[in-house]
Amino acid sequence: DGGITQSPKYLFRKEGQNVTLSCEQNLNHDAMYWYRQDPGQGLRLIYYSQIVNDFQKGDIAEGYSVSREKKESFPLTVTSAQKNPTAFYLCASSTPLTIEQFFGPGTRLTVL
Amino acid sequence: GENVEQHPSTLSVQEGDSAVIKCTYSDSASNYFPWYKQELGKGPQLIIDIRSNVGEKKDQRIAVTLNKTAKHFSLHITETQPEDSAVYFCAVDAGGTSYGKLTFGQGTILTVHP
Repeated sequence: DGGITQSPKYLFRKEGQNVTLSCEQNLNHDAMYWYRQDPGQGLRLIYYSQIVNDFQKGDIAEGYSVSREKKESFPLTVTSAQKNPTAFYLCASSTPLTIEQFFGPGTRLTVL
Repeated sequence: GENVEQHPSTLSVQEGDSAVIKCTYSDSASNYFPWYKQELGKGPQLIIDIRSNVGEKKDQRIAVTLNKTAKHFSLHITETQPEDSAVYFCAVDAGGTSYGKLTFGQGTILTVHP
């Protein structure tokens, strides 16, 4: 089945530790995105990548880092510099032709 | 940057009634307006979208209307069913060199009572 996978579904970390969230897609999409969702709020863009080996900051990039070494993978690292890392993280992908974004199931990160 | 306002934040209807959610945006260069449905603990799912060269689009019980002059667009759900209960988000693309970048509204919690 084609789709976007995010792992793990739930992640717990101690304060001060870096943590990497996985996002993989087999849709052959060029563009990939990371969003953060807090309770009762909309989705806020962290980083996006329109092509391999290139990415841009979104609206709330501080305290996060990404890499795009392969077309199908776009991992997000939540660093210790992120002041409020506890949130629901969503990955998405799209093609330039239609720009429709398709989302993964999300990872809920809790920092203790 | 783009500013998207979505109203209402919560909407409660009886099964069979219609539901309407409205979004306004600020950037007149925006050309793509999708609507997403998010169920609890899951990722958003695209349910319908509209592009700037179309004023209305319908898919069974769901329709979206766009008024580019007034910079607002709306989601219409007719004959609502309990399974329509979810959070709905509108979004607007940035256009130009930020092609594909979406700005989302704050979401509307729709509850359909049997």
